[in-house]
Amino acid sequence: GQQLNQSPQSMFIQEGEDVSMNCTSSSIFNTWLWYKQDPGEGPVLLIALYKAGELTSNGRLTAQFGITRKDSFLNISASIPSDVGIYFCAGQGWDSGGGADGLTFGKGTHLIIQP
Amino acid sequence: GAVVSQHPSRVICKSGTSVKIECRSLDFQATTMFWYRQFPKKSLMLMATSNEGSKATYEQGVEKDKFLINHASLTLSTLTVTSAHPEDSSFYICSALRQGDYSNQPQHFGDGTRLSIL
Repeated sequence: GQQLNQSPQSMFIQEGEDVSMNCTSSSIFNTWLWYKQDPGEGPVLLIALYKAGELTSNGRLTAQFGITRKDSFLNISASIPSDVGIYFCAGQGWDSGGGADGLTFGKGTHLIIQP
Repeated sequence: GAVVSQHPSRVICKSGTSVKIECRSLDFQATTMFWYRQFPKKSLMLMATSNEGSKATYEQGVEKDKFLINHASLTLSTLTVTSAHPEDSSFYICSALRQGDYSNQPQHFGDGTRLSIL
């Protein structure tokens, strides 16, 4: 199946630094979402974006839905140890019947924070 | 909230066994649920879309006779892995969409089921 191009694949940063990751797609999506997944658990929603150009914040997290609807970025400011984990972007479209499609995920960004 | 519960969280069984995984929306009604599979160190891949009261829609390459999906109520979808083999070992995760307008709703995920076939 299709996957989104997510980068970087992994990041090694110092506590307190800002983090930036992004996703691109060859297809248009109606919704972009960012999830965090800890080992052995399901993904937890961080931010959902529903309109092209939308910029949304959730605490130290900020994400934007690209104007072309083919890309999105996620920024984390002032990283802390609990930010460690794998971050996934996901795009969602609508099927021909007007129902929601399943998500297409990026390959993930593994965030590692060095003390 | 929007809580999705998945059961069991872990299954270990012998090759040839059929395994049923349940996905429940605890505090909302979900017309549509989705089933994903995640292999180690990989991303989630959509397997099928489950709509209440109708047949599931499977993604290309996913065997519908192998992975039986039933969505008999607005709060429960089940995935049965029939005659499971070691290559079916994976992390299976469901998600649910609250009934209603989909234009501004995210999918909410369960905690996944780790399936290990010996």
